[in-house]
Amino acid sequence: QQPVQSPQAVILREGEDAVINCSSSKALYSVHWYRQKHGEAPVFLMILLKGGEQKGHEKISASFNEKKQQSSLYLTASQLSYSGTYFCGTHPGNTGKLIFGQGTTLQVKP
Amino acid sequence: EAGVVQSPRYKIIEKKQPVAFWCNPISGHNTLYWYRQNLGQGPELLIRYENEEAVDDSQLPKDRFSAERLKGVDSTLKIQPAELGDSAVYLCASSLGNALVGSTDTQYFGPGTRLTVL
Repeated sequence: QQPVQSPQAVILREGEDAVINCSSSKALYSVHWYRQKHGEAPVFLMILLKGGEQKGHEKISASFNEKKQQSSLYLTASQLSYSGTYFCGTHPGNTGKLIFGQGTTLQVKP
Repeated sequence: EAGVVQSPRYKIIEKKQPVAFWCNPISGHNTLYWYRQNLGQGPELLIRYENEEAVDDSQLPKDRFSAERLKGVDSTLKIQPAELGDSAVYLCASSLGNALVGSTDTQYFGPGTRLTVL
């Protein structure tokens, strides 16, 4: 039931792009994306609710393909501040229970 | 606006000792969550409260873990006795709470309590 994220880790240079994928074997009502820096709380990035929905937050955007039961997070022209672990959280049903993936660690180097 | 507050931030105890964590959610948030995060893993839900009621505690090891949310605001999570495998970060989160659109309810996390059991 836990969503699967790929890749597990990414190393980038500043200005490069990255894609993080999140897929589930269950039908999804929504996908939530969070970023967590070492020793800190997960910080909410965005939520996607409908199939085909795309959202953007500065140079970070995401898409949600309801039929494929997957979501992708796009980081464009990455900055040092983007470093951290990205988690997707999925709702297998229309309840308050959020199930998180295992995380994707992103490291942006100068 | 103040975020979710947790204390203590760090706790080191010996196995078989009791330990308690405290959480103060964002003002006005009806739903409160306790998660456990093991190293290198995503948060795993332990218990979810809607106001004072525990509506999902299926993942809470009830033989040693207990939780309460008095008056629907602050919450305490207790472990007694602690075991070596309980070492983890315990995160508290809160959300406005809306049973009709649960999947849209954004959760905001506190900084967590890092527990080390020796």
